[in-house]
Amino acid sequence: QEQLVQSGPEAKKPGASVKVSCKASGYTFSSYYINWVRQAPGQGFEWMGIINSGSGAATHAQNFRGRLAMTSDTSTKTVFLELSSLTFGDTAIYYCARGARGLTASAWFDPWGQGTLVTVSS
Amino acid sequence: DIVMTQSPESLAVSLGERATIRCKSSQSVFRRSDYKNYLAWYQQKPEQPPRLLMYWASTRASGVPDRFSGSGSGTDFTLTISTLQAEDVAVYYCQQYYTTPQTFGQGTALEIK
Repeated sequence: QEQLVQSGPEAKKPGASVKVSCKASGYTFSSYYINWVRQAPGQGFEWMGIINSGSGAATHAQNFRGRLAMTSDTSTKTVFLELSSLTFGDTAIYYCARGARGLTASAWFDPWGQGTLVTVSS
Repeated sequence: DIVMTQSPESLAVSLGERATIRCKSSQSVFRRSDYKNYLAWYQQKPEQPPRLLMYWASTRASGVPDRFSGSGSGTDFTLTISTLQAEDVAVYYCQQYYTTPQTFGQGTALEIK
């Protein structure tokens, strides 16, 4: 079945960087966008950005410009999110989620990865 | 950015009764070019990722029971659970995908009365 499997939890210190992976299976990887969304503890969802899995072209939310990088590896059907200059406020569960309408950014999200907890503490 | 506002923030409903959750967008998410509302609903249970329930405001996702229904157009939308089951206890979110950044409501926590 169509599935996204993310890498495991991360513990980082302020100022460090974190890289989270999201491996796709069960569908044509290059034919869909992947979105990254985060959820701080007990909070709602914040959209971070979107990447064309095939071309690697990406768009970032304005809040993260300058410290967010999204990349795609078609050979392993994996997309990556790297967030730098971490602060306590970056503590959250990070989700990848496929845009369900192929290479159209205006799409609902399905499926979602299981989430990766990133904890920033000193 | 389009702001999505849900009401109520929490809701307690008896088993077998109807639950209604509302979502309002700060601007219309209806696109005249394809006559569709760019609005989705998700269910999230503790320690789980969100599960898609509805897209195009009223189309049930695969495997979603027919006790879930979505309605509305433009800026005002509703998710209805016709007869509440114990497994429906969760937080429910609306999302607009009309424009980037896609934005979510703050969530409605549904519990059993």
